[in-house]
Amino acid sequence: SQQGEEDPQALSIQEGENATMNCSYKTSINNLQWYRQNSGRGLVHLILIRSNEREKHSGRLRVTLDTSKKSSSLLITASRAADTASYFCATAGVPGGYNKLIFGAGTRLAVHP
Amino acid sequence: SQTIHQWPATLVQPVGSPLSLECTVEGTSNPNLYWYRQAAGRGLQLLFYSVGIGQISSEVPQNLSASRPQDRQFILSSKKLLLSDSGFYLCAWSTTGDTEAFFGQGTRLTVV
Repeated sequence: SQQGEEDPQALSIQEGENATMNCSYKTSINNLQWYRQNSGRGLVHLILIRSNEREKHSGRLRVTLDTSKKSSSLLITASRAADTASYFCATAGVPGGYNKLIFGAGTRLAVHP
Repeated sequence: SQTIHQWPATLVQPVGSPLSLECTVEGTSNPNLYWYRQAAGRGLQLLFYSVGIGQISSEVPQNLSASRPQDRQFILSSKKLLLSDSGFYLCAWSTTGDTEAFFGQGTRLTVV
């Protein structure tokens, strides 16, 4: 079974707006990762946040992590049409093992010009 | 620098035919290797992972198998394909299980 679950499943916004995606997970983790997938392509790593971090920034991306609630959020600020893609969170942890990287179902983001 | 190669990009195979998808990694040694399957518009399902040569862990019972004959080579196989094996197959590698994973471009398999 998948370890992470994102919501919403789909998000449609206008350029310039912010997009927020959420992820919940079930295990004890060392870190949580976010990936992006353009249609029909492989996934690309965006950002990794460690379990002892609460917030991390990378360009227009802001990730938060709440280990007490086993949840994370990805905020994309000032969105662009080129941000249109699917976004996935991924974790590896216990139980299951730190060698298994499990992905959530993803959020499909559509940014309209 | 490290690179990952996955081929072919697309494949159409008849039901009952065999399958062999190959994935190779360059520029690193002893990587963790993964095979995922993705149904249309869905998330990634972990099929197999390997932490070393000859070490394969299977996540779900299915019609597929995996092998790692060399350190940086990961092969996904089937003796007889089913219609339900259709999907987008992704190979990935990472240094350890909870570090950044690098993905191939994927193989879109259609079983007809």
